[in-house]
Amino acid sequence: QIHLAESGGAVVQPGTSLTLSCAASGFTFNEFPMHWVRRTPGKGLEWLEWVAVLSQDGNNSYYADSVQGRFTISRDNSKNTLFLHLNSLTPADTAVYHCTRGTRGGFFGGFWGPGTLVTVSS
Amino acid sequence: DIMMTQSPASLSVSPGERATLSCRASQSISSSLAWFQQRPGQAPKLLVYGGSTRAKDVPTRFSGSGSGTDFTLTITSLQPEDFALYYCLQYNNWPPWTFGQGTKVEI
Repeated sequence: QIHLAESGGAVVQPGTSLTLSCAASGFTFNEFPMHWVRRTPGKGLEWLEWVAVLSQDGNNSYYADSVQGRFTISRDNSKNTLFLHLNSLTPADTAVYHCTRGTRGGFFGGFWGPGTLVTVSS
Repeated sequence: DIMMTQSPASLSVSPGERATLSCRASQSISSSLAWFQQRPGQAPKLLVYGGSTRAKDVPTRFSGSGSGTDFTLTITSLQPEDFALYYCLQYNNWPPWTFGQGTKVEI
């Protein structure tokens, strides 16, 4: 059974850094690209925003413009773990961060973790 | 970047009725569109991918259609557990992958 579990969320002040982790099990981790998606609460809706993706071998990554240069995605295939390093955090980064498994064809979203909450507030 | 526009923003439906949700892409995305259901506090759940292929264990009352720029998610005979948020996602032209802004289906 495929299982993804995020951790590392916290309440932090603007300008600080944080590292999120995603522990994966139930599939061959090093065969799949992995994504981070964040869920931002709003008035009656929760905005979904794709954040970053990392290739199976960890050599290729892409980022949303909103996080480019501040966030870094990485993975440890020996430990079946995905990371997201968040720097220079702002209140706009407040969200629940989910990891989700991708496919080589570009699709993702078949499997999600429950998410970890990051709150950026002074 | 491809912009995804969902309509309506919210939809009031009675249990047992049909709901029709729309998603429009700013340019053709072939059939590279997925639909997700989002319940408060939960991770999104995949309903449809490839525009019209129902994901595993998704009830048959959920159906997706469309290609190119215009897509529809139809929920026939709404059940109480179907009242939720629904999002479309394009995965044809990336990066970035882009979601629609969502449709809230409420009683």
